[in-house]
Amino acid sequence: KNEVEQSPQNLTAQEGEFITINCSYSVGISALHWLQQHPGGGIVSLFMLSSGKKKHGRLIATINIQEKHSSLHITASHPRDSAVYICAPGGSEKLVFGKGTKLTVNP
Amino acid sequence: GAGVSQSPRYKVAKRGQDVALRCDPISGHVSLFWYQQALGQGPEFLTYFQNEAQLDKSGLPSDRFFAERPEGSVSTLKIQRTQKEDSAVYLCASSSGGSGANVLTFGAGSRLTVL
Repeated sequence: KNEVEQSPQNLTAQEGEFITINCSYSVGISALHWLQQHPGGGIVSLFMLSSGKKKHGRLIATINIQEKHSSLHITASHPRDSAVYICAPGGSEKLVFGKGTKLTVNP
Repeated sequence: GAGVSQSPRYKVAKRGQDVALRCDPISGHVSLFWYQQALGQGPEFLTYFQNEAQLDKSGLPSDRFFAERPEGSVSTLKIQRTQKEDSAVYLCASSSGGSGANVLTFGAGSRLTVL
């Protein structure tokens, strides 16, 4: 069983739709990262959270430590949100990365 | 510097050649991580430094892979006798503390192609 499971693997949406990407993990963690990777581009850290909920612009991340589950939500999605979103739970040092969710937002 | 800088951005090597990939972390960042990302996959952990100490190298796939950070700043990932399966993007990231509880900043990566 993979240590990190993301769903869906691929997601296509129309501009303006509300997006949810889910992440379940089995490793013990002190924090969980959500990362964004554009095609051919580098990785950008979106959130690091260890409890509750964080919001940044149109992005919201939540985590339930007891259930070992996190979600990333995008409100009013836009074509520029098209990217791969990676969940990475971490212990004190190293992170374990999910395979990513490829999001395509069509105009 | 303002961000994590990696060089070269692209490297093509013939099978059997040695390669060296460089990472310049954010100034003052204690922790430095190397990851390997194969095409279509998520990054996978290779090794971790805290200052000049290599605290975890459990992700290095073979003894052909070697990493160092002699002065606690710049790091070099060396791959000896490259094989086709080494083709991947090698990502470096740094943080002010351990990655689990500190924001990571990633470099743009070094794309290695072994022919």
